Amino acid sequence: ETGVTQTPRHLVMGMTNKKSLKCEQHLGHNAMYWYKQSAKKPLELMFVYNFKEQTENNSVPSRFSPECPNSSHLFLHLHTLQPEDSALYLCASSQGLAGAYYNEQFFGPGTRLTVL
Amino acid sequence: EDQVTQSPEALRLQEGESSSLNCSYTVSGLRGLFWYRQDPGKGPEFLFTLYSAGEEKEKERLKATLTKKESFLHITAPKPEDSATYLCAVQANSGGYQKVTFGTGTKLQVIP
Repeated sequence: ETGVTQTPRHLVMGMTNKKSLKCEQHLGHNAMYWYKQSAKKPLELMFVYNFKEQTENNSVPSRFSPECPNSSHLFLHLHTLQPEDSALYLCASSQGLAGAYYNEQFFGPGTRLTVL
Repeated sequence: EDQVTQSPEALRLQEGESSSLNCSYTVSGLRGLFWYRQDPGKGPEFLFTLYSAGEEKEKERLKATLTKKESFLHITAPKPEDSATYLCAVQANSGGYQKVTFGTGTKLQVIP
């Protein structure tokens, strides 16, 4: 595997379900990110982890819970989602520095999430 | 509040017809401006980083330029495989943190 991989690629869930999205980067980077991409809207940064420490949480509802066990893996745990949470969820990584510089980011293919 | 505006929203070109995409921004403490390409069903792919006004970067048929208020992505003699959505993002200082803000993108279609 090379680059940034995400699983699953597609997910359909009910509002009462609990599911997790997985991201893995094979680039030796130290920073990882979760983004939400909705139609006609700019990418929304959700969470940032730099050297496994969460450095940013952009007022994301608590029904989204990130986990970063090491610098290569990132999870997004989902529970009691709403239909408006349906979107493409993208993971990215970059050479994070101590100053949390984003630098150029390398994105995974995304998980297309549909909440019924 | 940081703002990034891309225009046009969509652009249709004949193969070989050169044009430019615009990214205008309002941020304080710009640290870098990024261009990405996104194909349908895929994540964005990094193209360029520009750090200061006057800087230019080139890659094949693409050339990115930066001023203090905007960036242009020039496409010379485009081919159908250049069809994609082009995203602009700016990195800036925000309350002691680094912050990245994306535009909504320009959807480019190149017709053979």
